[in-house]
Amino acid sequence: AQTVTQSQPEMSVQEAETVTLSCTYDTSENNYYLFWYKQPPSRQMILVIRQEAYKQQNATENRFSVNFQKAAKSFSLKISDSQLGDTAMYFCAYSSRNRDDKIIFGKGTRLHILP
Amino acid sequence: NAGVTQTPKFQVLKTGQSMTLQCAQDMNHNSMYWYRQDPGMGLRLIYYSASEGTTDKGEVPNGYNVSRLNKREFSLRLESAAPSQTSVYFCASSDRAPEHTFGSGTRLTVV
Repeated sequence: AQTVTQSQPEMSVQEAETVTLSCTYDTSENNYYLFWYKQPPSRQMILVIRQEAYKQQNATENRFSVNFQKAAKSFSLKISDSQLGDTAMYFCAYSSRNRDDKIIFGKGTRLHILP
Repeated sequence: NAGVTQTPKFQVLKTGQSMTLQCAQDMNHNSMYWYRQDPGMGLRLIYYSASEGTTDKGEVPNGYNVSRLNKREFSLRLESAAPSQTSVYFCASSDRAPEHTFGSGTRLTVV
């Protein structure tokens, strides 16, 4: 069975700094997707970034980028020039391309951006 | 464009009471899901429906039932609520693309 592990329960950084959130996963499949979701205090789940496993190029979305290491099964999220609005819970997640699009979530990292 | 709508947003139940959480999506998505979120546990899949007329168990189905009423609606029922079912419940939908569109969640407290 697939698993997703986030080893950092909580992190704090100063505004404008760069922060990296770690994620590792375990799977025997070759075709899959990886995601980072953001959950601010409003509780809404917001997709931050998506990576397709067959693509070697790391995905980027403005200040958000990932470091996808397929062989190491690692998928970290880097937030550059962090802003107060980035304060949220961040979930790493996995979805197989072949199984009903179910998503498996990690336990989350609570990120605090300090003024 | 409403996306995924969940009702109610908050609910308090007494142990043993029953209730149904409602979910509707207006994006014509085939797949719908129910997750629960507990502190330190992330989101865990309760049930899902890959298409109208089908439902399957997820990781934590015990104590719940679901109904895919039509393509738009997917309800979650607690027949006899227990304190262990205190949680935040999310409905989500997807179609071809793997990422889900989530509702805003229901905070359920069972006392």
